[in-house]
Amino acid sequence: AQSVSQHNHHVILSEAASLELGCNYSYGGTVNLFWYVQYPGQHLQLLLKYFSGDPLVKGIKGFEAEFIKSKFSFNLRKPSVQWSDTAEYFCAVSLTDSWGKFQFGAGTQVVVTP
Amino acid sequence: NAGVTQTPKFRVLKTGQSMTLLCAQDMNHEYMYWYRQDPGMGLRLIHYSVGEGTTAKGEVPDGYNVSRLKKQNFLLGLESAAPSQTSVYFCASSYGRGTNQPQHFGDGTRLSIL
Repeated sequence: AQSVSQHNHHVILSEAASLELGCNYSYGGTVNLFWYVQYPGQHLQLLLKYFSGDPLVKGIKGFEAEFIKSKFSFNLRKPSVQWSDTAEYFCAVSLTDSWGKFQFGAGTQVVVTP
Repeated sequence: NAGVTQTPKFRVLKTGQSMTLLCAQDMNHEYMYWYRQDPGMGLRLIHYSVGEGTTAKGEVPDGYNVSRLKKQNFLLGLESAAPSQTSVYFCASSYGRGTNQPQHFGDGTRLSIL
């Protein structure tokens, strides 16, 4: 079955530490890739997206992600996290040969301690 | 610019009761979606619409109905609420037919079924 996998369900780290969240998908066709963030009590907000071109994309708030086609991966990174990065992070995939239907990963809860 | 607005924000129902969740977007988006978010399961698509007057089933449609009589509104109905429908419901919209268009989310409706 086609799916989106996020490897870590919970991550706890200290401020200034580096963050990397894994995302793998199992679709065989061409995909569009997204990372969303959900701060406590808020709705999902787009962090960054990739659909073509440079596989290293930069998003808001210092986040970046790298698309590695051969590994079916789209990992999210941030070199130095802040307490305000505490949130849940969702990877999402849409297929270019569909109408735009999204498949979301289960999410990774990130807690940054002061 | 309000974006995507969901009403109500909170609701408690008794088993067997019915209710309708309203989603309104002011971005002239073609596509609209209803998701439910449950712990550890990410977002699961309930129903979606690719235009006014059209609706389709998503991943978990059972127990729900939807209508899109106006382009800006997408209604989600529960005819006979069940405890398994306790969840946070998110509406989203996206522009046009481009599969690389991100989805814009509302603030969610927290629904509890007793």
